[in-house]
Amino acid sequence: EAAVTQSPRNKVAVTGGKVTLSCNQTNNHNNMYWYRQDTGHGLRLIHYSYGAGSTEKGDIPDGYKASRPSQENFSLILELATPSQTSVYFCASGDAWQQNTLYFGAGTRLSVL
Amino acid sequence: GDSVTQTEGLVTLTEGLPVMLNCTYQSTYSPFLFWYVQHLNEAPKLLLKSFTDNKRPEHQGFHATLHKSSSSFHLQKSSAQLSDSALYYCPSHTGNYKYVFGAGTRLKVIA
Repeated sequence: EAAVTQSPRNKVAVTGGKVTLSCNQTNNHNNMYWYRQDTGHGLRLIHYSYGAGSTEKGDIPDGYKASRPSQENFSLILELATPSQTSVYFCASGDAWQQNTLYFGAGTRLSVL
Repeated sequence: GDSVTQTEGLVTLTEGLPVMLNCTYQSTYSPFLFWYVQHLNEAPKLLLKSFTDNKRPEHQGFHATLHKSSSSFHLQKSSAQLSDSALYYCPSHTGNYKYVFGAGTRLKVIA
């Protein structure tokens, strides 16, 4: 079973502060994704990556940056956190040789006060 | 371009009745299609995925058949259980690996 680990699991941040959400996968998957989940919106794609050094904008990238420094790690950065970014964030990884089946981390619950 | 459409919103069923959640696709080729399930306070996980041959994937009593004639990959189960209550996704998965999930279909099974 593929392993995707997110940290922290819970985070309380102040408005205007910087927040970094981390994701690590040990399956050597090329593709990694960041989603947020809000009630009534399902999963919305923020950023994704094809491999180390690459990041691509998803459907709702505004207010977020992403970083993929290595095959294993993919971070989501909120430079100036706002209350509207309060949500549950999921990281996922996948690879073409598995038809890009996605494996999700347990999620990070972020509250911006 | 390629796209996948899933019936969104809430589906409420009585325990024991059959389940069918709709998913249709638009593509110039036969895509890989998926169903993911997310139970309350858990992460999404793969439930089923289509095969390139004519095999019908099954898992936990659920199955889905890729029908090229109707461009569909509906999720079905003969008898709903209370534990099937969850959020179900049929994501759009384009060739460049942009994976879009949408709002999903919430299945609520009642006694």
